[in-house]
Amino acid sequence: AQKVTQAQTEISVVEKEDVTLDCVYETRDTTYYLFWYKQPPSGELVFLIRRNSFDEQNEISGRYSWNFQKSTSSFNFTITASQVVDSAVYFCALSEASRGSSNTGKLIFGQGTTLQVKP
Amino acid sequence: SQTIHQWPATLVQPVGSPLSLECTVEGTSNPNLYWYRQAAGRGLQLLFYSVGIGQISSEVPQNLSASRPQDRQFILSSKKLLLSDSGFYLCAWSEDSMYEQYFGPGTRLTVT
Repeated sequence: AQKVTQAQTEISVVEKEDVTLDCVYETRDTTYYLFWYKQPPSGELVFLIRRNSFDEQNEISGRYSWNFQKSTSSFNFTITASQVVDSAVYFCALSEASRGSSNTGKLIFGQGTTLQVKP
Repeated sequence: SQTIHQWPATLVQPVGSPLSLECTVEGTSNPNLYWYRQAAGRGLQLLFYSVGIGQISSEVPQNLSASRPQDRQFILSSKKLLLSDSGFYLCAWSEDSMYEQYFGPGTRLTVT
């Protein structure tokens, strides 16, 4: 069965610190997709990144970076020089790849990590 | 650009009353549509998904139902609400089952 584990329930840092959010996943599929979403206090989930299982290159987008390691089934998210606006709940999610007509695009979400960045 | 709308934003309903939440998407055609519920404790649970008009699949047995009367309209309904139906309901769309999903602003439902 597919599963996503975000072991860190809450993290609190002081502004300008670096912080890493952990994500470990389980799947029997050889082809799958991983995602990160941000949920600010307003409630709307904001898409951050999608990564497919064949692409293990790390990705950097501004202060955000993602480390995908298939060997450890992890897809960790690092925020460099954190800011107060980064305070939110962050979700990691897993999706099966296409299996023809049976593919649903169903996302399996982790329980989320609440990040609090203090000024 | 594509946008997704949900309404109402908040709703307080008594137990046993009916429910209708609406979600519409603009700027795309034939999207995949999804309804999620987020209960206290943050986990998101997929309730329904649709790959086309009139095509609805349910993930969890419950007293809720969904319909897709038009290509870009997705409706979540209930004939009689339960206390356990309280939560934050999110609608999402994607271009394809393999692509990222984009979420609406959500509806916060409180059943009293």
